[in-house]
Amino acid sequence: QVQLQQSGLGLVKPSQTLSLTCVISGDSVSSNSAAWNWIRHSPSRGLEWLGRTYYRSKWYNDYAVSVQSRITINPDTSKNQFSLQLNSVTPEDTAVYYCARDPGEMGLFDYWGQGTLVTVSS
Amino acid sequence: EIVLTQSPATLSLSPGERATLSCRASQSISNYLAWYQQKAGQAPRLLIYDASDRATGIPARFSGSGSGTDFTLTISSLEPEDFAVYYCQQRSNWPSFGGGTKVEIK
Repeated sequence: QVQLQQSGLGLVKPSQTLSLTCVISGDSVSSNSAAWNWIRHSPSRGLEWLGRTYYRSKWYNDYAVSVQSRITINPDTSKNQFSLQLNSVTPEDTAVYYCARDPGEMGLFDYWGQGTLVTVSS
Repeated sequence: EIVLTQSPATLSLSPGERATLSCRASQSISNYLAWYQQKAGQAPRLLIYDASDRATGIPARFSGSGSGTDFTLTISSLEPEDFAVYYCQQRSNWPSFGGGTKVEIK
C-alpha cells in the first residue's frame, strides 16, 4: 500500500519561499513508471496541478506555466521523498498543497498525501 | 489550456436517489477524463479514469460515460457516504480540473 506523508511549514511571509516535503512508502521516488506530483487547492483557483518529477534513466521535471518561473521540485533518493519549493510567494499562493502519485506518467493521481494548508501572510 | 466546466454546482438529493453529474471540456479530450470524490478535510480520491473505468476498490454504483467534450458521472443509488464534492480532471494535455459539483443531502 502506497502512502505519502507530507511535512512543512504552514505559514510563510510574502516574498519568501514555500517549502514542503513528501515522504513515500510502498513505492520508490526512482520508480521507472510512476511520476511524483504537487497539486494545490484554493477557493479562488480550485484544484491546480503545479508540477512533477520522475525518473526514466535520468530525472525529468515538468511545471505548470502559471508557476514555472518560481517552482522547483526535487527528488531525494536517499530518503525516498520529493520536495516542493515555491519562491516569491504572495497571498494568492495560500492553498492546501497535496503531493500525489501518478502511477504510470498518465496524468492520473491514485495516491495523495494528507494535504498541508499553507497560508501566506505577514 | 483545457477548461473543464462542471454542472450543476450543487445537487440536492436524498439517499437512494440517482445522481447525474456533468463535465464539459473546452475542446475534445478523447476519453482522457477522470473523476474524483473529495470529502471535507480529506484529499481527493480517484473514482473513474479514462471516462468509464472504475479505479481499484470503487463500488459498481459509480459509473462514467462520455467522450470528446461531454462526460457524465452517475451514482446509481446514493449511499450516505457518497455526499461529497466531485471533480473531473483531464489528462489530454497538462492536467486540469473542473470547479466541482457538491452532492448534498436534501
